[in-house]
Amino acid sequence: DVKVTQSSRYLVKRTGEKVFLECVQDMDHENMFWYRQDPGLGLRLIYFSYDVKMKEKGDIPEGYSVSREKKERFSLILESASTNQTSMYLCASSLDRNPYEQYFGPGTRLTVT
Amino acid sequence: KNEVEQSPQNLTAQEGEFITINCSYSVGISALHWLQQHPGGGIVSLFMLSSGKKKHGRLIATINIQEKHSSLHITASHPRDSAVYICAVRPVYGNKLVFGAGTILRVKS
Repeated sequence: DVKVTQSSRYLVKRTGEKVFLECVQDMDHENMFWYRQDPGLGLRLIYFSYDVKMKEKGDIPEGYSVSREKKERFSLILESASTNQTSMYLCASSLDRNPYEQYFGPGTRLTVT
Repeated sequence: KNEVEQSPQNLTAQEGEFITINCSYSVGISALHWLQQHPGGGIVSLFMLSSGKKKHGRLIATINIQEKHSSLHITASHPRDSAVYICAVRPVYGNKLVFGAGTILRVKS
C-alpha cells in the first residue's frame, strides 16, 4: 500500500512565523503535490514537483514555496504566515505513468493566529 | 463560476436511503474521479470514469460525457458512509486535476 505521511495533523502558528509542512511518500512516486482545502472552494493546487529539485507553480502559489531535495520528501514553506493561510493542507503523490491517480496524506490543519 | 460544480453541498439521509450526488463540469475532459474524505482523514479514490457506469459494492458512478454530468449513487446507505464526496476532472487541455467543492454527507441511524 502507498503511504503518504504528513509531519503534523494540527499546527498553530503566529502571524509572521516561517512554517514548514513536511510530506513523505514511501512508494518511489515521481510526482508530488501540495493542495489547500477550504470550505466551499475544494482543493486548490499550490505547487507540484515531477522530479527531485523540480517544481512547478499551481493555481495559488503566492505566499508559499516548496523544496524537494529527495524523491520521497516534499516540503511546503510559508515564508511569513498570515491569517488567510489558515487552512487544511493536503499532500499527494503519483507515478509518472499514471499522474492523475493521486494518493493523499491525512492532511495538516494549520491555524495562523 | 467554478469549472466543476457539485450538488448538493450538504446532504443528510436516514440509514437505508438511496443517495445521489451530482457533478457537472464545463470543460472537455478525458476522465472524471470520485473521491471520498472521512472526517479527519485523508482522501481515497473511489472511481475513475471516462464513460458509462462503474459499480463497487453499494456505490455506483455514472457519467454522461455529452451532457458533462456525473452522478455518484449510494444504495442502502449506512452511517459509515458519512464523509465528504469530491468530484475531480481531468481537462483535455492541461495537466492538473480540477476539483469540485465537495458534498458533505451525513447518514443518521
